[in-house]
Amino acid sequence: AAGVIQSPRHLIKEKRETATLKCYPIPRHDTVYWYQQGPGQDPQFLISFYEKMQSDKGSIPDRFSAQQFSDYHSELNMSSLELGDSALYFCASSPPRGQGIETQYFGPGTRLLVL
Amino acid sequence: DAKTTQPPSMDCAEGRAANLPCNHSTISGNEYVYWYRQIHSQGPQYIIHGLKNNETNEMASLIITEDRKSSTLILPHATLRDTAVYYCIVRRNQGGKLIFGQGTELSVKP
Repeated sequence: AAGVIQSPRHLIKEKRETATLKCYPIPRHDTVYWYQQGPGQDPQFLISFYEKMQSDKGSIPDRFSAQQFSDYHSELNMSSLELGDSALYFCASSPPRGQGIETQYFGPGTRLLVL
Repeated sequence: DAKTTQPPSMDCAEGRAANLPCNHSTISGNEYVYWYRQIHSQGPQYIIHGLKNNETNEMASLIITEDRKSSTLILPHATLRDTAVYYCIVRRNQGGKLIFGQGTELSVKP
């Protein structure tokens, strides 16, 4: 079965640079979530989109922005990168409400290292 | 969403049942208990969820106490590949973010 695709899988950036992470949800899933997991920490919710509209926002820095496109893929844009942004970034998708178990399916993550 | 409390770590012998407890004493009537696990640095994986009845699927069983203030995830025959951090999450079944707490680090040993 198709899974959530994230690209790139690994990314190395310098401080103050920008980065764009991409997420391709499972086909026919209309909701996308972004999570950040720092070293030794639990995943923390950043932001979510439902039908291309932002549906919820967590502890996402103002330097970060995200959007969901007409084909439901999503991009997380990170600017003025800081050392503390080094983390695993997970994307998850969920099916339309009322169509299956209300759960989230996670991608393999993008490992971002800021030097 | 209600908060959960889990032991930070547990060990289990390979082939034996792993019983992972979770306390959620402030759970409200419309909140479900979800279990996810994260195998080292991989994306979290859904295991099972339930409201008040016990549930079973191909991965695990979920036992929820009658007062719904605690639950137990049971892996009936743990294997080395079940070594992971297991998260118990309480949330309404209407979508929305997952709030990951501390989780239980399960180590399955030969």
